[in-house]
Amino acid sequence: GAGVSQSPSNKVTEKGKDVELRCDPISGHTALYWYRQSLGQGLEFLIYFQGNSAPDKSGLPSDRFSAERTGGSVSTLTIQRTQQEDSAVYLCASCSWWYTEAFFGQGTRLTVV
Amino acid sequence: KNEVEQSPQNLTAQEGEFITINCSYSVGISALHWLQQHPGGGIVSLFMLSSGKKKHGRLIATINIQEKHSSLHITASHPRDSAVYICARTSGGGADGLTFGKGTHLIIQP
Repeated sequence: GAGVSQSPSNKVTEKGKDVELRCDPISGHTALYWYRQSLGQGLEFLIYFQGNSAPDKSGLPSDRFSAERTGGSVSTLTIQRTQQEDSAVYLCASCSWWYTEAFFGQGTRLTVV
Repeated sequence: KNEVEQSPQNLTAQEGEFITINCSYSVGISALHWLQQHPGGGIVSLFMLSSGKKKHGRLIATINIQEKHSSLHITASHPRDSAVYICARTSGGGADGLTFGKGTHLIIQP
């Protein structure tokens, strides 16, 4: 594809359910980021992947959150036992090796009811 | 400290006015990005630039590398331009390799 693709674009889930959010980055981009934007707030760092290195998970807000990146490409962010405060837009971005390029997904809007 | 500062935080203007949103950053960049988010909508990338100026329709983005400053201009503003505009910088890698400003909430009144 021509850009970073995130799916689903919108997700409504019941409190307590698990959700998976998917990010397809730009082919060849080694760096991948997940951010979260809660209502009325700025973008909050969640996790960073670079190539085959161990990810930087320092932004994950709780152990209910996890992410993986398979084969250095597609990434999945999983939220277990969702809570209402997890409602937010989840944004994925991928960057080229020298960070001269960055492309952004359109975000996944998660609503926990 | 690796920071991105945007101003103003909020801006209300009348249709037709020339709009300027500013972005300052504290460390060198590989690229500077401007993003747009309409209420309840997804995030759209407007510009990616590392020097000079880019134009797309009524939108113009400029960057001054020496002053570590970028501006987004909107000419002949229209109510459909009402959105949050976000500045982001990339460089260096790591968790700080991509840093966002807090956004500017723009309202264009008819």
